[in-house]
Amino acid sequence: GEDVEQSLFLSVREGDSSVINCTYTDSSSTYLYWYKQEPGAGLQLLTYIFSNMDMKQDQRLTVLLNKKDKHLSLRIADTQTGDSAIYFCADPQGGTSYGKLTFGQGTILTVHP
Amino acid sequence: DGGITQSPKYLFRKEGQNVTLSCEQNLNHDAMYWYRQDPGQGLRLIYYSQIVNDFQKGDIAEGYSVSREKKESFPLTVTSAQKNPTAFYLCASTDRNTGELFFGEGSRLTVL
Repeated sequence: GEDVEQSLFLSVREGDSSVINCTYTDSSSTYLYWYKQEPGAGLQLLTYIFSNMDMKQDQRLTVLLNKKDKHLSLRIADTQTGDSAIYFCADPQGGTSYGKLTFGQGTILTVHP
Repeated sequence: DGGITQSPKYLFRKEGQNVTLSCEQNLNHDAMYWYRQDPGQGLRLIYYSQIVNDFQKGDIAEGYSVSREKKESFPLTVTSAQKNPTAFYLCASTDRNTGELFFGEGSRLTVL
């Protein structure tokens, strides 16, 4: 079946850049997503990238997509304590853009002052 | 304001009891989903419904049931057959154009 893998923990200092990595197995997806979850809350869409793009930049966020290696990364520039959260990458099941997503395990980002 | 409302936020139940988690959305989305979240395992799809009066099993449907009698509502029942029901349950709905999932705030179920 489809699989999405992420490392579980990342710790950075405030002001540094954070890079969260993700690998996926389904290469037919139209979009790939990054979601953010704050403690005790639901998930919110952070950003997404079309599968025909290599990079997408949105303010402090940069998403890089390497289709050959099936590798997705999320870079957060100038990381703030408010960025501390769990970050999930997600890949649509069966390649469709509908809401059946396969999620990674989530990366817990801790930002130290 | 448009959104997804889940209730209750916290729920405690004894083993062997069925519990129903509520999910209501006013986003006019056709499709709705239930995910289960366990620490270190990400989210796993329980059930989904793309249209009223129709729903399909997700990856971990055993021990759960759902109904979709109205577009706005998609309740989830955790039955006594679910072997490990303690978890955080998330309801979501989809914007058909982008595939973006909109999530509720979640319901944390603890079975004692």
